[in-house]
Amino acid sequence: NAGVTQTPKFQVLKTGQSMTLQCAQDMNHEYMSWYRQDPGMGLRLIHYSVGAGITDQGEVPNGYNVSRSTTEDFPLRLLSAAPSQTSVYFCASRQDLNQPQHFGDGTRLSIL
Amino acid sequence: QKEVEQDPGPLSVPEGAIVSLNCTYSNSAFQYFMWYRQYSRKGPELLMYTYSSGNKEDGRFTAQVDKSSKYISLFIRDSQPSDSATYLCAMSPLHGSSNTGKLIFGQGTTLQVKP
Repeated sequence: NAGVTQTPKFQVLKTGQSMTLQCAQDMNHEYMSWYRQDPGMGLRLIHYSVGAGITDQGEVPNGYNVSRSTTEDFPLRLLSAAPSQTSVYFCASRQDLNQPQHFGDGTRLSIL
Repeated sequence: QKEVEQDPGPLSVPEGAIVSLNCTYSNSAFQYFMWYRQYSRKGPELLMYTYSSGNKEDGRFTAQVDKSSKYISLFIRDSQPSDSATYLCAMSPLHGSSNTGKLIFGQGTTLQVKP
């Protein structure tokens, strides 16, 4: 089983550029989330989805957009990259909201 | 004040030691508690989860929850160099009509087990 797959693993962007971080899961999980991880800050929720066509904001949503057109995929879009968005981004999925989350291996993003 | 507080360490112990990792929380609505292990340049992987107060054991790992003190712990017995990683606690209210089951994570504790 692939579980949660994130691409790319590494990316360097210039300020102002846009890009999409991809996340796919093959476990038929309804619930998917995006987190960013920064030193000393733990994991902070950016956006989440409780099913195809339904998304909502987390703790730190500004500068990011998401969509959920299928159960499997949950891409995260940076509209105009800023140095403050330099971070490690993790996608997670779970079967329902009372079950543990399964994480991908992350995308390491640097904004110059 | 953060909802979940976790000592970031780093914590360094000799092989074979008993390790205690701890988190405190302020939200009495938290009912669901997890511990994740994260190796360098990898995603967090679930170690243990529990809904109830008391102890839950899985091999060398024991998770302890004290809801009255708002305190959770993870104990690692006979620690091994392969246990060297960052350990994250996480918690949430049980999903219901008034919440969406969002997880709140601690900052993570970095553990090094020396051979």
